[in-house]
Amino acid sequence: QVQLQESGPGLVKPSETLSLTCTVSGGSISSYYWSWIRQPAGKGLEWIGRIYTSGSTNYNPSLKSRVTMSVDTSKNQFSLKLSSVTAADTAVYYCAREGELTLGAFDYWGQGTLVTVSS
Amino acid sequence: SYVLTQPPSVSVAPGKTARITCGGNNIGSKSVHWYQQKPGQAPVLVIYYDSDRPSGIPERFSGSNSGNTATLTISRVEAGDEADYYCQVWDSSSDLYVFGTGTKVTVL
Repeated sequence: QVQLQESGPGLVKPSETLSLTCTVSGGSISSYYWSWIRQPAGKGLEWIGRIYTSGSTNYNPSLKSRVTMSVDTSKNQFSLKLSSVTAADTAVYYCAREGELTLGAFDYWGQGTLVTVSS
Repeated sequence: SYVLTQPPSVSVAPGKTARITCGGNNIGSKSVHWYQQKPGQAPVLVIYYDSDRPSGIPERFSGSNSGNTATLTISRVEAGDEADYYCQVWDSSSDLYVFGTGTKVTVL
């Protein structure tokens, strides 16, 4: 059973960079698209971007100037960096996989990690 | 960018049928996916490619998509179906995934 686990600081200061890592277990990270999705408290889901295991990326245009994603296949991990954060970036951040048979849909999700932007 | 509109809430009695709509311009030309999210939990995929069910999802969940509206139907609603539901598509004009505004399903 594939499992995803987000990790990283739960508190980030304004103007600094948010950094999160998603560790994949129970399966290979190779040959899949991996996404980051966030959800402010009481609000809906926002797709941040995705990375393929080759390293190719797609980012949400609204966040593109601040987002960087990377993948480390040797560690079965992929990562998110979001720069120049503000209070508006406070949210639960999820990592998720696009399924091989459900391409375009997210079949596995991490439990989510709350990131608060505050001084 | 592409906008997906859902009703904020739907209320349904146990044993009845809940229908959750997802409106978007010519959404019938896109593949629509649906997620269930219970409080404090990550979303769970319940319908993909308009009407396919992942393994483990009850047959009570079904989907359709035509014209400007996609619909998630939950038959014989149970108390455990109470959750937020989101639709999702790929917006090819902007190269991004878009989620609907979300619908809270309340079981009376």
